[in-house]
Amino acid sequence: KAGVTQTPRYLIKTRGQQVTLSCSPISGHRSVSWYQQTPGQGLQFLFEYFSETQRNKGNFPGRFSGRQFSNSRSEMNVSTLELGDSALYLCASSWGLADNEQFFGPGTRLTVL
Amino acid sequence: GIQVEQSPPDLILQEGANSTLRCNFSDSVNNLQWFHQNPWGQLINLFYIPSGTKQNGRLSATTVATERYSLLYISSSQTTDSGVYFCAVNRDDKIIFGKGTRLHILP
Repeated sequence: KAGVTQTPRYLIKTRGQQVTLSCSPISGHRSVSWYQQTPGQGLQFLFEYFSETQRNKGNFPGRFSGRQFSNSRSEMNVSTLELGDSALYLCASSWGLADNEQFFGPGTRLTVL
Repeated sequence: GIQVEQSPPDLILQEGANSTLRCNFSDSVNNLQWFHQNPWGQLINLFYIPSGTKQNGRLSATTVATERYSLLYISSSQTTDSGVYFCAVNRDDKIIFGKGTRLHILP
């Protein structure tokens, strides 16, 4: 069974640009959650999608958004990039809601210059 | 909101030693997971353990939900065990991570 995949793995952008990251969950999983990891703040919850609906959102500005497609694949978008958005972005999938066991992808490392 | 504290923050051990990592949480939780983050950033599932004890090879974990803590035991450490260990709890449908324990196993 294939694991969670994320694309791209590495990304370099400049301030003010926007970026879209993609996550494909494990086959059969319907929940996708996104997390930001930085050295200063650690791992922080961004949002969770289940059956194409955003169920929960963390404390991030509106520049961070996401969506989920009918095949459970998810994308997150960050607009008007800031230097502080440089981070490892991880997505996780679970069979049911996020209180089920979560499985993580390898992450996308975003650098904002 | 709920607080998740992990201790110790850093641990340096010789290969072959045993270790105990602790995760305290400030309120009741729906579930708890332990992860190992490898040097490339991948989070590897170790245990999904809302309560009780589980074992997987040299690793075992115990969660005492009523006392709001979980322990991860690593026996006969190997250099490949190096990395950061996170616990994560689910509360109100949000996952909250601790800050992790960075483990260095010396050959």
